[in-house]
Amino acid sequence: GQNIDQPTEMTATEGAIVQINCTYQTSGFNGLFWYQQHAGEAPTFLSYNVLDGLEEKGRFSSFLSRSKGYSYLLLKELQMKDSASYLCAVAAGGSYIPTFGRGTSLIVHP
Amino acid sequence: EPEVTQTPSHQVTQMGQEVILRCVPISNHLYFYWYRQILGQKVEFLVSFYNNEISEKSEIFDDQFSVERPDGSNFTLKIRSTKLEDSAMYFCASSGSQGAYTFGSGTRLTVV
Repeated sequence: GQNIDQPTEMTATEGAIVQINCTYQTSGFNGLFWYQQHAGEAPTFLSYNVLDGLEEKGRFSSFLSRSKGYSYLLLKELQMKDSASYLCAVAAGGSYIPTFGRGTSLIVHP
Repeated sequence: EPEVTQTPSHQVTQMGQEVILRCVPISNHLYFYWYRQILGQKVEFLVSFYNNEISEKSEIFDDQFSVERPDGSNFTLKIRSTKLEDSAMYFCASSGSQGAYTFGSGTRLTVV
C-alpha cells in the first residue's frame, strides 16, 4: 500500500496564499491527485500530476517531485469558499486507481 | 456540466438486510468505481469496473458486495447482508480514462 502523509488542519486568512504539503512512500508511481471536499459533499477533482514540476490552473497550482515523494497544492487569493478538506491521493503499484490520504482541513478566516 | 447521479441520497436499513445503491455514470465514460467514506475517515476504494467486469477490488470488497451494470446507463452496488460497520457515505465515480475522476454526490447508508 501507499503511506500518504498530509497535515490534519491548516488555517489561513482570506486573500492570502497557502501551501498544503503531501508526502508519500510507494513503489511503481502512476500519478498523484488532489481533490477538494466540502463537508458532507463529494470530492471534486483539482489536479493530476504524473511528471515532475508545477502545473497551474487558475488560483490553484500543484507541484510534484517523484524523487522526493513530495507534492504540494498551492492556493492563491484565498476565498472563504476555499474552506474545505483537501485530499492527496496516489496511484501506484501497478494500479491507476488512487489511494486517498486522510486529507487536510483548511479553514479560511476573514 | 456532466454529472454522476446517485440514488437514493439517504438509505436507512436494518442489520442483515440487503441494499442496492444506484449510480448513473457520465454517459461517455468507460471506467466506473465505488468508494466509501466512514464518517470522519478517509475515502476508501472498493471496486472498479471496466468492459462489463470488475477490473480491481480492495480487501474491503468481500463476498457480501457485488456490482452490476444491468443496462447501458446504471451501475449498482449491492450489499447482501448489511452490518453496522457498513454505515458510511458511498460514492460512485466515473472516468473517461486514467486521470480525472468525477464523483457523484453520494448515498449516506445508515445500518441500524
